[in-house]
Amino acid sequence: ETGVTQTPRHLVMGMTNKKSLKCEQHLGHNAMYWYKQSAKKPLELMFVYNFKEQTENNSVPSRFSPECPNSSHLFLHLHTLQPEDSALYLCASSGRGSGNTEAFFGQGTRLTVV
Amino acid sequence: GQSLEQPSEVTAVEGAIVQINCTYQTSGFYGLSWYQQHDGGAPTFLSYNALDGLEETGRFSSFLSRSDSYGYLLLQELQMKDSASYFCAVAGNTPLVFGKGTRLSVIA
Repeated sequence: ETGVTQTPRHLVMGMTNKKSLKCEQHLGHNAMYWYKQSAKKPLELMFVYNFKEQTENNSVPSRFSPECPNSSHLFLHLHTLQPEDSALYLCASSGRGSGNTEAFFGQGTRLTVV
Repeated sequence: GQSLEQPSEVTAVEGAIVQINCTYQTSGFYGLSWYQQHDGGAPTFLSYNALDGLEETGRFSSFLSRSDSYGYLLLQELQMKDSASYFCAVAGNTPLVFGKGTRLSVIA
């Protein structure tokens, strides 16, 4: 248990569906991240929020829409996805006393687009 | 900008020692972190170096040379369970930046 909780753990959705991934942390961290990881590939940074403000959008298609209503919650809204978007989506947080020296990851959402 | 370079794959024999290198370019550098990720799992924090030198934690050690913008993770007495991906990450005055990871395969 890292203190970062992601739901759901598994998600199967059709290409016309709309779904949302949720991430929650109560570690007092100020930065939250979304990463995509396809099978046996490196971590691919998608979005970064620092104090609720988006500081990085790594050329992510608009069918992925992040939302950060407060420093403890981060969402990734999904719509009209493609099969190649099937991957493990990881949320992480960092910051507070240790600065941005250590990131804590959630267990991820395994997404399958059919 | 910020960038990190590490080898994509390393193979080593059970019981041996392996070193995974990481070079970085960044501004506002605080330190270098290492993470381990098993297939299907989330990355977990291994170590953090803010100062030059070697930090040892059991079978794992991490080294940093700030002047060379270089660090490495050293794994000793390799076990099959050490087969995983290992990521270096730069900590600074911006959110963490991760390398692309090194896939370590431990063979008998």
